[in-house]
Amino acid sequence: ELKVEQNPLFLSMQEGKNYTIYCNYSTTSDRLYWYRQDPGKSLESLFVLLSNGAVKQEGRLMASLDTKARLSTLHITAAVHDLSATYFCAVDNDGAGSYQLTFGKGTKLSVIP
Amino acid sequence: EAGVAQSPRYKIIEKRQSVAFWCNPISGHATLYWYQQILGQGPKLLIQFQNNGVVDDSQLPKDRFSAERLKGVDSTLKIQPAKLEDSAVYLCASSSWDRNEKLFFGSGTQLSVL
Repeated sequence: ELKVEQNPLFLSMQEGKNYTIYCNYSTTSDRLYWYRQDPGKSLESLFVLLSNGAVKQEGRLMASLDTKARLSTLHITAAVHDLSATYFCAVDNDGAGSYQLTFGKGTKLSVIP
Repeated sequence: EAGVAQSPRYKIIEKRQSVAFWCNPISGHATLYWYQQILGQGPKLLIQFQNNGVVDDSQLPKDRFSAERLKGVDSTLKIQPAKLEDSAVYLCASSSWDRNEKLFFGSGTQLSVL
């Protein structure tokens, strides 16, 4: 059974600080996804990482993938309040882009002014 | 571009009642998914359709859940009879044939079973 573990599950950080969310998974997969979910809202796709060493950046968020370590990171640079949300990583069950996803439990990020 | 449409937005029922959710995917998306998200957890895949055929339903509790996508466009997910533990948000998602493209989620239907 594929397992996806995120840590931390809860993160409270001050504006302007940097932090990293970690996502470990138990299967060999070259595909990993990051999503953002605001309270009461649906999931928004942030990053699609498709190969070992992939790095993608959007604004203050940067995601990377190390398939050998089965680890992805989501780095937050100079956090702002608007980044407060829950962040999920997810892995394809078949590693082939089927979008049969197994999600982590999510990291609830609160950015404090 | 219109997104994934779902209805109703909220539904409250009593246990042992039946309920149905509707989803209209993004135009042209052949693949449609239903995910269940219990409060405080990540979404869990229930079923995947490719056009009107089922690709994977291994995690669908088939004794009470059913889903269909008759014309390869809209889909309906039904629960009959509902249990307390079915309280969750039911998310519909769709994707195109290009597996390097994103998966798009609808706003979900929040189900409360009392």
